Amino acid sequence: ETGVTQTPRHLVMGMTNKKSLKCEQHLGHNAMYWYKQSAKKPLELMFVYSLEERVENNSVPSRFSPECPNSSHLFLHLHTLQPEDSALYLCASSQPGTGVYEQYFGPGTRLTVT
Amino acid sequence: QQQVKQSPQSLIVQKGGISIINCAYENTAFDYFPWYQQFPGKGPALLIAIRPDVSEKKEGRFTISFNKSAKQFSLHIMDSQPGDSATYFCAASPSGTSYGKLTFGQGTILTVHP
Repeated sequence: ETGVTQTPRHLVMGMTNKKSLKCEQHLGHNAMYWYKQSAKKPLELMFVYSLEERVENNSVPSRFSPECPNSSHLFLHLHTLQPEDSALYLCASSQPGTGVYEQYFGPGTRLTVT
Repeated sequence: QQQVKQSPQSLIVQKGGISIINCAYENTAFDYFPWYQQFPGKGPALLIAIRPDVSEKKEGRFTISFNKSAKQFSLHIMDSQPGDSATYFCAASPSGTSYGKLTFGQGTILTVHP
């Protein structure tokens, strides 16, 4: 596996379910990100982990809970979601450092909440 | 002030033509301006990026033009090809963080007709 991988690629869940999205990066990076991509809206940054510490939490509802057990893995735990949470969830990684901002994205998980 | 405004929302160009996508920002702390390209079923991928100390950057058929005083930047795709058909996102990131904190535009769906 190379780059940034995400599983599952597609997920359908009911509003009362609990599920988790998984992201793994094989690039040796130390920062990982979760984004939400909805139709006709800009990518929304949800969470950032740098060196396994959460450094950004952009007013995301508590029904989304991130976890970063090590610098290669990132999870997004989902519970009691709403239909408006249906979207493409993208994971990205980067190598922190002065002036280094390039982010590498995974293919995303297409989430449908019914 | 964190917004990045992108236009047009969609663009249709004939093969061999020039595609132009524009972005504008307000936050003067932004100092890194990348463009991402996204194909269906894939995550965004970095295409080209620029910093405010230069007014233009060219990589192959892709050129970023940057106007610091107007707080605008644009992507030009010369000799557009059907394979360039994708969604393009501009983004901006401020200085002062060790990780990337990208604010994205809404995206432009580019269709290049053969």
